[in-house]
Amino acid sequence: EVQLLDSGGGLVQPGGSLRLSCAASGFTFSKYAMSWVRQAPGKGLEWVSGLNDNGGNINYADSVKGRFTISRDNSKNTLYLQMNSLRAEDTAVYYCAKGCDISCYRSDYWGQGTLVTVSS
Amino acid sequence: DIQMTQSPSTLSASVGDRVTITCRASQSLSQYLAWYQQKPGKAPKALINRASFLESGAPPRFSGSGSGTEFTLTINSLQPDDFATYYCQQYYTSPFTFGPGTTVDIK
Repeated sequence: EVQLLDSGGGLVQPGGSLRLSCAASGFTFSKYAMSWVRQAPGKGLEWVSGLNDNGGNINYADSVKGRFTISRDNSKNTLYLQMNSLRAEDTAVYYCAKGCDISCYRSDYWGQGTLVTVSS
Repeated sequence: DIQMTQSPSTLSASVGDRVTITCRASQSLSQYLAWYQQKPGKAPKALINRASFLESGAPPRFSGSGSGTEFTLTINSLQPDDFATYYCQQYYTSPFTFGPGTTVDIK
């Protein structure tokens, strides 16, 4: 059974940093692209960032480019999102999502989400 | 970036109704379009991929069609479990944008 366990969310002040993690199990993690998708309170889904199976191809939404860094450790079956220079508008539930193959970014499985709140 | 729109934004329907949601893209996606269902407080669930292929585990009353820039999601014989918000997503090119969502509520 595919499982994605998101963690690392919390309350952080504007300008602060946070690192999210997503522990994957139930599939061969190293053979799939992965993404982070967020959802601000009461709003729709926003794709944030994704990387391919070996992390050699990385993409970001313009809204986070230069502030967020996605990475993966295939030896630990874990996806990360390092978030720096956080702003109030980054407040959202962040979901990790499994891609459909090595460089396919539609998501067939999702984590439960972790809430990031940026506030003073 | 590819812009995605959905119509309607809200749809009121009754159990047993046939419901259709439209998703439009600002440029051609070929068939790289997915549909998701989301209920309040829950993660999205995949319904349709490549515009018309039913995801494993998704009920067969859900179907998708379209290509290029216009796509539809149809729910045949709406069930109580189907009242939710539906999103389309293009995965043709980065950034892999979502539509704004369509909420299906009870008439």
